[in-house]
Amino acid sequence: GENVEQHPSTLSVQEGDSAVIKCTYSDSASNYFPWYKQELGKRPQLIIDIRSNVGEKKDQRIAVTLNKTAKHFSLHITETQPEDSAVYFCAASTGANNLFFGTGTRLTVIP
Amino acid sequence: EAGVAQSPRYKIIEKRQSVAFWCNPISGHATLYWYQQILGQGPKLLIQFQNNGVVDDSQLPKDRFSAERLKGVDSTLKIQPAKLEDSAVYLCAGGSGTSWETQYFGPGTRLLVL
Repeated sequence: GENVEQHPSTLSVQEGDSAVIKCTYSDSASNYFPWYKQELGKRPQLIIDIRSNVGEKKDQRIAVTLNKTAKHFSLHITETQPEDSAVYFCAASTGANNLFFGTGTRLTVIP
Repeated sequence: EAGVAQSPRYKIIEKRQSVAFWCNPISGHATLYWYQQILGQGPKLLIQFQNNGVVDDSQLPKDRFSAERLKGVDSTLKIQPAKLEDSAVYLCAGGSGTSWETQYFGPGTRLLVL
């Protein structure tokens, strides 16, 4: 099955700085890559996703890049704010809607 | 937000006891998923339903876990008997059933097995 690795496991940034989280996947058939944000004790919520037919997608301060050849994708958050503090999970799917999640990155934005 | 409902929110049981969780996805969502999220890890898929049929249960420990979605709407997940390592948050998610669907998660049930 698919194996998704995520780095770093923890990340601290100053407010206003950028944060980058990276994931790699093993199954070349994977073609859908969502990112979820999970605040403490709450449900995972989709923040952005990308399909394999594009290399980059942006939504305000959040962007995701995909390199299919290298089988890795990254989440970029610019101008970080304290409310961005949470655990972020990447995931990969072959399109059968079976998501394989990474192990998560705990992001702390220091005011 | 209105969306996926789960109950109970918390459950504490002793090992070897049985427990059941309930999920009601967003109206009209054809697919329903049960995930297990162990503390400090990402969610791991246990079972996927499309309407009332099982699509994928390859990661479900079938000797102790069972799930059903009889009418294609709400679903129950049961553990019998529970083990200490079953302590986790059990998340239910629903989706439209189309390719590359967004999965909407419920608040989860936090299970502690003593």
